[in-house]
Amino acid sequence: DIVMTQSPATLSVSPGERATLSCRASQSVSSNVAWYQQKLGQAPRLLIYNAFTRATGVPARFSGRVSGTEFTLTISSLQSEDFAVYYCQQYHNWCTFGQGTKLEIK
Amino acid sequence: QVQLVQSGGEVKEPGASVKVSCRASGYSFTSHGFHWVRQAPGQGLEWMGWISAYNGNTKSAQNFQGRVTLTIDTSTTTTYMELRSLRSDDTAVYYCARDAANGYNDFWGPGTLVTVSS
Repeated sequence: DIVMTQSPATLSVSPGERATLSCRASQSVSSNVAWYQQKLGQAPRLLIYNAFTRATGVPARFSGRVSGTEFTLTISSLQSEDFAVYYCQQYHNWCTFGQGTKLEIK
Repeated sequence: QVQLVQSGGEVKEPGASVKVSCRASGYSFTSHGFHWVRQAPGQGLEWMGWISAYNGNTKSAQNFQGRVTLTIDTSTTTTYMELRSLRSDDTAVYYCARDAANGYNDFWGPGTLVTVSS
């Protein structure tokens, strides 16, 4: 099975600053990675698919990058509604989720 | 608009089975498959399996093989997830999610809490 490892587990950032979340795949997954945002008590919400394509309605401050098996989600200027848990997912070989990164207010 | 409506919460005893439904609307039902994902309290997302709404083909995660059954009813645009031999560590919110036709999930149901307790 492909393992997706997210780092850090918790990230403390001030509103208005940039946040960078990482996800490493244990083997090649091409660009078959998505990012989801989950707020407490809610279902996950698709943010990014195919490593860097924003889903419909997702603000431009969210961006995805890929370098080999390293995937990055960047939020350029944090808004209050961005503090949540973020998951990466590979769908190159069925599906695996990372363990999540909690983005909290500093 | 796309909507996924799931059945209500369940409380089951260890060893029992549970069947969760997910009714879809707002798009051509057979054009997209479904994934089932669960989330134990305070934990991350765990993929359980996938089913094609076109032909009913399924794929289950290894952790659930032999214990989970995914089905489709095209007449009611509903997909079902049945989990058998429930244990206390099956206590979780169970989500259905639409496959965007490439493996990622573009729409999610609100989740169904299944509690396993004696």
